[in-house]
Amino acid sequence: DTAVSQTPKYLVTQMGNDKSIKCEQNLGHDTMYWYKQDSKKFLKIMFSYNNKELIINETVPNRFSPKSPDKAHLNLHINSLELGDSAVYFCASSQDTGLQQYFGPGTRLTVT
Amino acid sequence: AQRVTQPEKLLSVFKGAPVELKCNYSYSGSPELFWYVQYSRQRLQLLLRHISRESIKGFTADLNKGETSFHLKKPFAQEEDSAMYYCALSGPRGSTLGRLYFGRGTQLTVWP
Repeated sequence: DTAVSQTPKYLVTQMGNDKSIKCEQNLGHDTMYWYKQDSKKFLKIMFSYNNKELIINETVPNRFSPKSPDKAHLNLHINSLELGDSAVYFCASSQDTGLQQYFGPGTRLTVT
Repeated sequence: AQRVTQPEKLLSVFKGAPVELKCNYSYSGSPELFWYVQYSRQRLQLLLRHISRESIKGFTADLNKGETSFHLKKPFAQEEDSAMYYCALSGPRGSTLGRLYFGRGTQLTVWP
């Protein structure tokens, strides 16, 4: 009965590869987010979708492309991975914007 | 511009001692303030929010608009309180599209 789940939990890959991280929420929320937590534990929003529409797109390289096939899913695809992409990526969801956000367990991405 | 400042990167106290984690913010308007907590190897979770004015796990936080602060306090710290604490800000519901601005976090360690 996990509220917000992410797969995979760990991802180790080489520079230049393309990878995807999946996120699913079973809370019936209509807004989902992707955050990046760097090595210094700083959290910053990357994207947000509301009812499958992109509403927040922070200054993120266009190698990162979110996709929301439905309100319960928000996937993150990353092309041409670079060393600096190594981080923990958190998915979150909320019922409408501005309300409490529920976070997934995170995906630790390591690019070698 | 909106900003959340947590001046202490690390904070250590002994069990039973009072603890205060500082948070200052800048925002032109009426923000919503939150404290999120991340226990070791666990997901980020909401601890409390200023509009609910409640005490969770013995923690309280009061929004001081004059000093633009939202410090987190607990009179008697417990070992299980050891975690990373993030102060976060959002605009009034809908105004910032749910975007949460996080401070850099304070790692609290409670010694036995």
